[in-house]
Amino acid sequence: DTEVTQTPKHLVMGMTNKKSLKCEQHMGHRAMYWYKQKAKKPPELMFVYSYEKLSINESVPSRFSPECPNSSLLNLHLHALQPEDSALYLCASSVRTGTDPYEQYFGPGTRLTVT
Amino acid sequence: GNSVTQMEGPVTLSEEAFLTINCTYTATGYPSLFWYVQYPGEGLQLLLKATKADDKGSNKGFEATYRKETTSFHLEKGSVQVSDSAVYFCALSAVADKLIFGTGTRLQVFP
Repeated sequence: DTEVTQTPKHLVMGMTNKKSLKCEQHMGHRAMYWYKQKAKKPPELMFVYSYEKLSINESVPSRFSPECPNSSLLNLHLHALQPEDSALYLCASSVRTGTDPYEQYFGPGTRLTVT
Repeated sequence: GNSVTQMEGPVTLSEEAFLTINCTYTATGYPSLFWYVQYPGEGLQLLLKATKADDKGSNKGFEATYRKETTSFHLEKGSVQVSDSAVYFCALSAVADKLIFGTGTRLQVFP
């Protein structure tokens, strides 16, 4: 099983709503990532969790709040978003973090629209 | 700093044509190199990788060779199909957990 799953597939939310994105992998990977991808652009790294601890935050606004409840699950909590936050949010995982650059496996993404 | 430069698209080809998508990189040390593909409305799929100089990554008829002397990792396929139409991203990893992506190249294959 080399699959990363993400739910929901699509999400429309107002600027005052609170919602969460969910990501799951059962490959035993110990590093998980959140990326944001705008149309016609490459993915931009947001957060990295290594062994369930936040190891990288790429200066993401606090209206995005990541959570890693266990080694298989990664959430992204959303609150008071802006229309410019509309994008495809991608989750990824890799075997482990550390000094070796292991490849990352991506989920299908959640397409978020903020109205 | 580390960076990846890809040829601009779209690349438009007829079915069964030969494909080359150029990718060059700038990096300190010895990065690993990757090609990812993104089909419309989907996430990224790892297509192939190479972790050291002269390595050749291959998958589904696609190939790329890690050329340290020219700092390149060009993607090639001998005979493209309509189903290969997608956006292709070249990427490097020189620092743990940091994938540096190129801007992506859209490939359009017509029957």
